[in-house]
Amino acid sequence: GAGVSQSPSNKVTEKGKDVELRCDPISGHTALYWYRQSLGQGLEFLIYFQGNSAPDKSGLPSDRFSAERTGGSVSTLTIQRTQQEDSAVYLCASSPLGRGETQYFGPGTRLLVL
Amino acid sequence: EDQVTQSPEALRLQEGESSSLNCSYTVSGLRGLFWYRQDPGKGPEFLFTLYSAGEEKEKERLKATLTKKESFLHITAPKPEDSATYLCAVLPGGGADGLTFGKGTHLIIQP
Repeated sequence: GAGVSQSPSNKVTEKGKDVELRCDPISGHTALYWYRQSLGQGLEFLIYFQGNSAPDKSGLPSDRFSAERTGGSVSTLTIQRTQQEDSAVYLCASSPLGRGETQYFGPGTRLLVL
Repeated sequence: EDQVTQSPEALRLQEGESSSLNCSYTVSGLRGLFWYRQDPGKGPEFLFTLYSAGEEKEKERLKATLTKKESFLHITAPKPEDSATYLCAVLPGGGADGLTFGKGTHLIIQP
């Protein structure tokens, strides 16, 4: 079946602009995760959704970052007033129920802030 | 603080030359340890999940093992197509839901 999909694949923006990144999880998966992978750094957890609720937002680096999930499916990660240090690959993952189950990753969105 | 350290950072092997990648972890109550493979420009691809010390899992030329302090990914008679970055991640106990990743081991298999 279809895996996790993300769009756009690549995004180039100017410093100070807002960006929206989209994630479509595997059909039927109730848990959804966002991670960030910067050059030379490991993957960094950002936020976790169970259904439409976000019980764990502990990884969001600042209040410029927000995320929502609607219909228990698609999620959008929004970065306001982008900064150059936001340049990274943003990865989305989903799992059937969360809580220790395997997370399956999408291909990522490569964000470059000029 | 939960921590995952992978070694070596990079490894170059000849085709057929077996070796092991190490993942050492410090975590408050391990709920699971995960191995992923990541090819350039792609998202991580799931390989194995290990839940308790002594557990082993195998898939083709790969075998993952787990102790209370570390995990090993053994690669037997590797082929060039095994070249990738191998990532180790832990899911800590308590209420945390995000994985804590190591920085990965970049593996190159030369024909």
